[in-house]
Amino acid sequence: QKEVEQDPGPLSVPEGAIVSLNCTYSNSAFQYFMWYRQYSRKGPELLMYTYSSGNKEDGRFTAQVDKSSKYISLFIRDSQPSDSATYLCAMTRSTDKLIFGTGTRLQVFP
Amino acid sequence: DAGITQSPRHKVTETGTPVTLRCHQTENHRYMYWYRQDPGHGLRLIHYSYGVKDTDKGEVSDGYSVSRSKTEDFLLTLESATSSQTSVYFCAISERDASTGELFFGEGSRLTVL
Repeated sequence: QKEVEQDPGPLSVPEGAIVSLNCTYSNSAFQYFMWYRQYSRKGPELLMYTYSSGNKEDGRFTAQVDKSSKYISLFIRDSQPSDSATYLCAMTRSTDKLIFGTGTRLQVFP
Repeated sequence: DAGITQSPRHKVTETGTPVTLRCHQTENHRYMYWYRQDPGHGLRLIHYSYGVKDTDKGEVSDGYSVSRSKTEDFLLTLESATSSQTSVYFCAISERDASTGELFFGEGSRLTVL
């Protein structure tokens, strides 16, 4: 069993929809949670960073961590075609290495 | 954009040949990483460096070696390439350790081993 599980998609939604992307994990020691966005044929870029449980909002993006369920989510409001990309969750315990999910491919059509 | 350059960006080689991928940064960041990305596996850490001449293994280090003789350069070497090493390789850098989550990635090097 992988430490981090993520549905590969693709997830296809119309412009303006609310998108929910999720990851589950097995290691209860994870404390730092991130979401990266990766456009086709590009390197990933950090989108959201959350420490421990709770929510964090940045514009149209909200990251949510539920440590009791070992579940993290990324919500995208008013989705745009420019949001079409692969979204990777990542997490770590402390100074340890990042563990990435396999990524969910999102397509937002006009 | 963070100053990270990977070379070559594309390479086709034959089984058994040595291959070296180069990562060059202009940010003076302490940490440098080599990842490979494959369908169904996501990003997996090969090796990383926490300073000049200081390197350590990641989760998929077999068949790979690295060197860092200068802050700005991190080399990944496949001593004898195999078809299972066909992948997209990403270099990443960070100023602090992984807990900050702020890794900056290069554009990737696409390697095909025939």
